[in-house]
Amino acid sequence: SQQGEEDPQALSIQEGENATMNCSYKTSINNLQWYRQNSGRGLVHLILIRSNEREKHSGRLRVTLDTSKKSSSLLITASRAADTASYFCATDAGTSGSRLTFGEGTQLTVNP
Amino acid sequence: KAGVTQTPRYLIKTRGQQVTLSCSPISGHRSVSWYQQTPGQGLQFLFEYFSETQRNKGNFPGRFSGRQFSNSRSEMNVSTLELGDSALYLCASSFGAGGGYGYTFGSGTRLTVV
Repeated sequence: SQQGEEDPQALSIQEGENATMNCSYKTSINNLQWYRQNSGRGLVHLILIRSNEREKHSGRLRVTLDTSKKSSSLLITASRAADTASYFCATDAGTSGSRLTFGEGTQLTVNP
Repeated sequence: KAGVTQTPRYLIKTRGQQVTLSCSPISGHRSVSWYQQTPGQGLQFLFEYFSETQRNKGNFPGRFSGRQFSNSRSEMNVSTLELGDSALYLCASSFGAGGGYGYTFGSGTRLTVV
């Protein structure tokens, strides 16, 4: 079963606008990761935030983590048509080794 | 530097057959994980290997097995294929022993069972 739930399931915006996606999870985690997937191809790692971090930036990406609410958000600023993809959050709660539990994903469409 | 390489890219098999998928991780990465992606169940964890040892296994039947070789290359095998095994199978490698570095995924093997 999926640990994470993402919302919205789908998001359509215009180029230049910001896109915000949210992720909630159920158990304590070591870290939370965001990935992008284009048209059923491989996943691309975007950013990892550890459980003791609250915010992280990478280029146009900003991720926040609230462990008390068991939630995270991904903000993409000044979006581009090339950002059109599915975005997944994944939590790593492994005590021995690692196993990612993925959310259902948000389909982002950026219209030119 | 080469990424994670999965072969073959596409595969069509008949129910009851078995299949072996291959994954070559990024050079220097010793952790390899496998995931199954289907429209109905999403992305689900299959196994994780580190230094030839399986450290984690997901909730899949025994028909799904895997192994890792001394050069970190990994294979997964599915025996007695069922229609429901049709999926995109993704391999991911990581530098460290855990997921603390993030994973690099391959492009996947799309398996169709007819």
